Amino acid sequence: SQTIHQWPATLVQPVGSPLSLECTVEGTSNPNLYWYRQAAGRGLQLLFYSVGIGQISSEVPQNLSASRPQDRQFILSSKKLLLSDSGFYLCAWSASGELFFGEGSRLTVL
Amino acid sequence: QKEVEQNSGPLSVPEGAIASLNCTYSDRGSQSFFWYRQYSGKSPELIMFIYSNGDKEDGRFTAQLNKASQYVSLLIRDSQPSDSATYLCAVTQTGANNLFFGTGTRLTIIP
Repeated sequence: SQTIHQWPATLVQPVGSPLSLECTVEGTSNPNLYWYRQAAGRGLQLLFYSVGIGQISSEVPQNLSASRPQDRQFILSSKKLLLSDSGFYLCAWSASGELFFGEGSRLTVL
Repeated sequence: QKEVEQNSGPLSVPEGAIASLNCTYSDRGSQSFFWYRQYSGKSPELIMFIYSNGDKEDGRFTAQLNKASQYVSLLIRDSQPSDSATYLCAVTQTGANNLFFGTGTRLTIIP
């Protein structure tokens, strides 16, 4: 069966510091991969999606970036965090339409 | 105009009653519709999906789709306290590779 893992689960970072969130999927090949952000009291906002290695589409221009160095690995990064980057970050995969989410990473920027 | 709209709630339902959650969407080309449940502090988990007009039942859950009215709903029968969560409606949109989510309806089942 397919599983998805993301880490770290929780992190507190100062403004201006870098960020790296990692996500891996097991049990499937060539999945579509996604990064969403959920701010407090708000809906899920799509940040990036990828249909293959090295193929990244950005939905929201901001100081975040994503990379897909391997088929089942998706990384979300930032060189300098902003206060507004705080939120619950969710990695997800899909093969036939429905999305399956990882456990989430809760980021607090102070 | 929001692509997917849900009543934010909170919706309070007595234990054992039927909970009815509603969702409307703007893109007439949407083909696939999903309901997710999200417990506080956790990630969303898929409950049901529906592609065709009509009803689809899975245990205590029934999804209903009316493409002409651009309306999808989720019924939860015999509601349990463990059903207390936020329910997210998600739809595909024409030409997009991702799902568009509503902001969710917070459901509370009262023992």
